[in-house]
Amino acid sequence: QKEVEQDPGPLSVPEGAIVSLNCTYSNSAFQYFMWYRQYSRKGPELLMYTYSSGNKEDGRFTAQVDKSSKYISLFIRDSQPSDSATYLCAIRVWRSGGYQKVTFGTGTKLQVIP
Amino acid sequence: GAGVSQTPSNKVTEKGKYVELRCDPISGHTALYWYRQSLGQGPEFLIYFQGTGAADDSGLPNDRFFAVRPEGSVSTLKIQRTERGDSAVYLCASSLSDRGADSPLHFGNGTRLTVT
Repeated sequence: QKEVEQDPGPLSVPEGAIVSLNCTYSNSAFQYFMWYRQYSRKGPELLMYTYSSGNKEDGRFTAQVDKSSKYISLFIRDSQPSDSATYLCAIRVWRSGGYQKVTFGTGTKLQVIP
Repeated sequence: GAGVSQTPSNKVTEKGKYVELRCDPISGHTALYWYRQSLGQGPEFLIYFQGTGAADDSGLPNDRFFAVRPEGSVSTLKIQRTERGDSAVYLCASSLSDRGADSPLHFGNGTRLTVT
């Protein structure tokens, strides 16, 4: 079983729609959850992170974690064509020796149509 | 300031050849990571450096892959006897070494390797 599972999409929505992106994870010990955004031919960039259950909001973006069901979500309100990208969920674990091991989902490709 | 720089951005090589991929991390970042991203997949961890030493190389797929970071800054990923299955985007990331929440991975734009 993969540590992080994500529906690869693609997902196509009209401009202004609310987008919901979801992942599940396997290990209840995971505590640190992140969403990265990756534009075509670019490296991933950190969008949001959270380390607790509940919601975290940043502008049009909301990250949600439900530890009881091991489910993480990213909501995008008022989606814009510039949001068209691949969204990667990820979990971060701190290893002995003081470094982070980040495991990514497969990514969901989102297209926002004007 | 400057981000993580990777060169070349694209590399086409023939099966069996040797390639080197370079990563120049953000100045002051002591932690450096290599990831590999195949088409339609998320990045997969290859190796982690803290300073000059490889502290975790558990993601390297086999002994054809090797990475160095001799002076604790620039790193080179080396692939011997390349195979078509090595075709992927190789991503480098760096971060501050502390455990704080503000030490996310900063990725470069990757080297797109194609083995023909």
